Amino acid sequence: QSVLTQPPSASGTPGQRVTISCSGSSSNIGSNAVNWYQQVPGTAPKLLIYSNNQRPSGVPDRFSDSKSGTSASLAISGLQSEDEADYFCAAWDDSLNGWVFGGGTKLTVL
Amino acid sequence: EVQLVESGGGLVQPGGSLRLSCTASGFTFSSNWMYWVRQVPGKGLVWVSHINSDGSNTNYAGSVEGRFTISRDNAKNTLYLQMNSLRAEDTAVYYCVRSAYGTFAYWGQGTLVIVSS
Repeated sequence: QSVLTQPPSASGTPGQRVTISCSGSSSNIGSNAVNWYQQVPGTAPKLLIYSNNQRPSGVPDRFSDSKSGTSASLAISGLQSEDEADYFCAAWDDSLNGWVFGGGTKLTVL
Repeated sequence: EVQLVESGGGLVQPGGSLRLSCTASGFTFSSNWMYWVRQVPGKGLVWVSHINSDGSNTNYAGSVEGRFTISRDNAKNTLYLQMNSLRAEDTAVYYCVRSAYGTFAYWGQGTLVIVSS
């Protein structure tokens, strides 16, 4: 059981905009930055978004995030076939004094 | 180019020990916090531990506290995870991760640990 809650799956067609939610609490998302990771099956995770909608070099601006209260969302616009992957959210938890992850969302591009 | 290469994984019996290593290159290892994150194949990511740049500060997930020890040798650009009293539920791919932007920024390819009799 993950501390952060994500839907297990999401899907969209090429060109569409999809969002993936991540729900937490006041001790994690409510008081700390949310980070998002992309993991193509069989490979290591890759940092996608950090600290309030910042993207590492090389990550296209089709990826963005938002946060409201104790929930966050990752948005992918102009969906492409190569976006098919698992997506994880993470945040520091002040109560647990550690990092917590969501269970992951498998994105399928139809 | 940042490179993180984990080694030391394998099959170990319950109650046994294993030491993972992560050799870093392509950046100033001694200036960066480092993490271990694990993942049961097909499942989610779980933070295991982290260590500050000079090794003076460490932190552990409750599930491994008292059994695992993270350490580093900055002269050898190497991160370690000593795992004792291993349990079946410790079976996972273990990733070495470099911190940047205040989070898990650069990931190694992982090393698989299987705890089974």
